[in-house]
Amino acid sequence: DAGITQSPRHKVTETGTPVTLRCHQTENHRYMYWYRQDPGHGLRLIHYSYGVKDTDKGEVSDGYSVSRSKTEDFLLTLESATSSQTSVYFCAISASTGGAYNEQFFGPGTRLTVL
Amino acid sequence: QQQVKQSPQSLIVQKGGISIINCAYENTAFDYFPWYQQFPGKGPALLIAIRPDVSEKKEGRFTISFNKSAKQFSLHIMDSQPGDSATYFCAASISAGNMLTFGGGTRLMVKP
Repeated sequence: DAGITQSPRHKVTETGTPVTLRCHQTENHRYMYWYRQDPGHGLRLIHYSYGVKDTDKGEVSDGYSVSRSKTEDFLLTLESATSSQTSVYFCAISASTGGAYNEQFFGPGTRLTVL
Repeated sequence: QQQVKQSPQSLIVQKGGISIINCAYENTAFDYFPWYQQFPGKGPALLIAIRPDVSEKKEGRFTISFNKSAKQFSLHIMDSQPGDSATYFCAASISAGNMLTFGGGTRLMVKP
């Protein structure tokens, strides 16, 4: 999985509790992304980062926040988890953009269940 | 609003047959069209990709056909094998942004 780890790999939590998912890369890639995968919807972008402390919203950012204090780590936080956030979350990385078609490499995913 | 529509949702093909998955897009600014393959419990992995300046790209048994005027592109898997059984996603992006918009996915099963 291209030097990308996600933790935890599985988590069950209760509605209203905060949850933080971690993505760690060893590739020193500039861009990092968080997606959620739900049946019939493919993967949808939640947030992405284009550098340390530089982040922006994706298609489905409501209820999520992110932080990137180091190149290698990108954290996704659910401030108050809801059942609609039950999903499989994938982190992805890419080397650069700006006219280049750079492949996105995906991590192994985190399965989150909110009861 | 789904900008990339993928069909079918599921597909069963006999070993040796041709698997065909179709995608249609709306945003004419898209200029990069990758296909990802995902096995159970794994993250998606890039399979093959095409730019709109060509109508077809082939890599081994996998071929992308691209129709710019119709805003459609498709994945053909020739001589399908049981090991090809996976979920396939089409995607599209604008080169300057590199953010991918995915189709809904197709679960392919190749029967021996």
